[in-house]
Amino acid sequence: DTAVSQTPKYLVTQMGNDKSIKCEQNLGHDTMYWYKQDSKKFLKIMFSYNNKELIINETVPNRFSPKSPDKAHLNLHINSLELGDSAVYFCASSPGGGQLQSFGPGTRLLVL
Amino acid sequence: DQQVKQNSPSLSVQEGRISILNCDYTNSMFDYFLWYKKYPAEGPTFLISISSIKDKNEDGRFTVFLNKSAKHLSLHIVPSQPGDSAVYFCAASASGTYKYIFGTGTRLKVLA
Repeated sequence: DTAVSQTPKYLVTQMGNDKSIKCEQNLGHDTMYWYKQDSKKFLKIMFSYNNKELIINETVPNRFSPKSPDKAHLNLHINSLELGDSAVYFCASSPGGGQLQSFGPGTRLLVL
Repeated sequence: DQQVKQNSPSLSVQEGRISILNCDYTNSMFDYFLWYKKYPAEGPTFLISISSIKDKNEDGRFTVFLNKSAKHLSLHIVPSQPGDSAVYFCAASASGTYKYIFGTGTRLKVLA
């Protein structure tokens, strides 16, 4: 059973499109995160939700909107995709904020 | 401003020898540190952690050392095995911030 799963695994799309990435965890964790790993391999936190409430919102363009329908899911919607959005996006979860995180396999987004 | 730095992008070690991966940080508020291991096309997986109240933590072949005065931590793998070949990330957190800051990773290659 996959603990943290993400769909899709690969996403190739055109500039200007809107796309969503889904994340689900079956660990019973309260906190979920989205990270972006760019071409320089920096793994940077974007958002964190604790029990469906936003607790971390780093300096991310407002084209990126996270949505947490319940504490097991944290989806990432991206509007008006740009070339610079090409990256690997990782979802993670932890029992509580700041605790040990379990990561999903990543979604490789390529914007053409 | 990169608060967590891994200055060696890659390291090659012979099987059976010691691998030493280094990590430096600048924020003196960091009090909890993690090492993650990442295989290609997978998400990072937790390896070992250390709290700032300790200077050493050991788990099997893996030992993490923390030098608070130098703001430096290192991961030792003894003996190194080919299956240890992966990218290793260090991450740091300050109490109450609910987030980890990651380094850029060191790619370890263990040669058989």
